[in-house]
Amino acid sequence: QQQVKQSPQSLIVQKGGISIINCAYENTAFDYFPWYQQFPGKGPALLIAIRPDVSEKKEGRFTISFNKSAKQFSLHIMDSQPGDSATYFCAASMEGYQKVTFGIGTKLQVIP
Amino acid sequence: DAGITQSPRHKVTETGTPVTLRCHQTENHRYMYWYRQDPGHGLRLIHYSYGVKDTDKGEVSDGYSVSRSKTEDFLLTLESATSSQTSVYFCAINPGQGRTEAFFGQGTRLTVV
Repeated sequence: QQQVKQSPQSLIVQKGGISIINCAYENTAFDYFPWYQQFPGKGPALLIAIRPDVSEKKEGRFTISFNKSAKQFSLHIMDSQPGDSATYFCAASMEGYQKVTFGIGTKLQVIP
Repeated sequence: DAGITQSPRHKVTETGTPVTLRCHQTENHRYMYWYRQDPGHGLRLIHYSYGVKDTDKGEVSDGYSVSRSKTEDFLLTLESATSSQTSVYFCAINPGQGRTEAFFGQGTRLTVV
């Protein structure tokens, strides 16, 4: 049972464009939604995270949009750069429950 | 990297042999995790530990066992390796205390032939 569904699995965006990755969750007890970024040969690293009490969080060119009623959240990468080419994972967890459930990942390629 | 070392980084082994992967942390974090990463499946939790000698199963624990005799070390053992266990294995740590960010190691690429 996939508790966090992520799409698309791969994405090609031109330099300067907007990259959008979507995730949906089923468990309404989830209350922490991080995004991880993984470069080839490296482990994932936390990029940005949001809690359900806000609808949007922005850090530089990266923005999380959160829709609690639809149980969906998305990552927007503005002005995408070739250096953003990586695999992105959405995830979800519950406070006090130290396990994180990951989506299947999106391989992003930003072409010049 | 958040003071996590995985060893070995690469390993090729034969079907039916036991294999042990090691995760060592210098952060004194309470929680440690083993994940496997496979195309189309993302990161799946194998086992995790919430303290010395305290471990629990994740979603894909069959064929794997773990041990944690010291805070800093978390071992993952494939009791009898199979080709389906060919994967990239990641160790992660978390300090607990209300924090939910996981810090990952560099990964171990395991090939079972």
